Amino acid sequence: GESVGLHLPTLSVQEGDNSIINCAYSNSASDYFIWYKQESGKGPQFIIDIRSNMDKRQGQRVTVLLNKTVKHLSLQIAATQPGDSAVYFCAERANFGNEKLTFGTGTRLTIIP
Amino acid sequence: DAGITQSPRHKVTETGTPVTLRCHQTENHRYMYWYRQDPGHGLRLIHYSYGVKDTDKGEVSDGYSVSRSKTEDFLLTLESATSSQTSVYFCAISEGGTGTLQETQYFGPGTRLLVL
Repeated sequence: GESVGLHLPTLSVQEGDNSIINCAYSNSASDYFIWYKQESGKGPQFIIDIRSNMDKRQGQRVTVLLNKTVKHLSLQIAATQPGDSAVYFCAERANFGNEKLTFGTGTRLTIIP
Repeated sequence: DAGITQSPRHKVTETGTPVTLRCHQTENHRYMYWYRQDPGHGLRLIHYSYGVKDTDKGEVSDGYSVSRSKTEDFLLTLESATSSQTSVYFCAISEGGTGTLQETQYFGPGTRLLVL
């Protein structure tokens, strides 16, 4: 599959452990955030989203935390599995009504069996 | 891939030739987007559409044009392909609005384009 980033930050995690992937966003006015997962050779896949009026949102095995003070977003994946190996990136929307997103370059997560 | 197909999935072409990529959706979503993805960069927006025959430029629109004559189809044309347009191209769709997941963009499988 194609490389989505030659010098992506990487994170290696033991299978079964929890992982935390971080993202710093740029626009303090951004009101909506999304985490995507991209496996090699595939399109980005939606994982979870969060609005700026929330600090935390949970899904199945995933939790997103939003710290607006420092413009930081994190994705926590519980009990990682081999299928979690992928590139993860965040996206932000500048403001309500603006349908355009700005994407980060991503973090490559590798699960060690 | 949320009812989104892209064609072709792979293409090799020569510098100076026109190329058209097609995105087709079965979700009846209002918004459609074309992105390119290159090493060292996040996804970058080329053009987007907010309705039939309604399109606008993104951050890297030079050298590209788009058309949307039907809700389900969004075409991206490289007028005269250059080597700098070698990339992976993704189409995305979103419903629009403020309800749950209406703002979320869903992506197609991508088209890998090589311009020689």
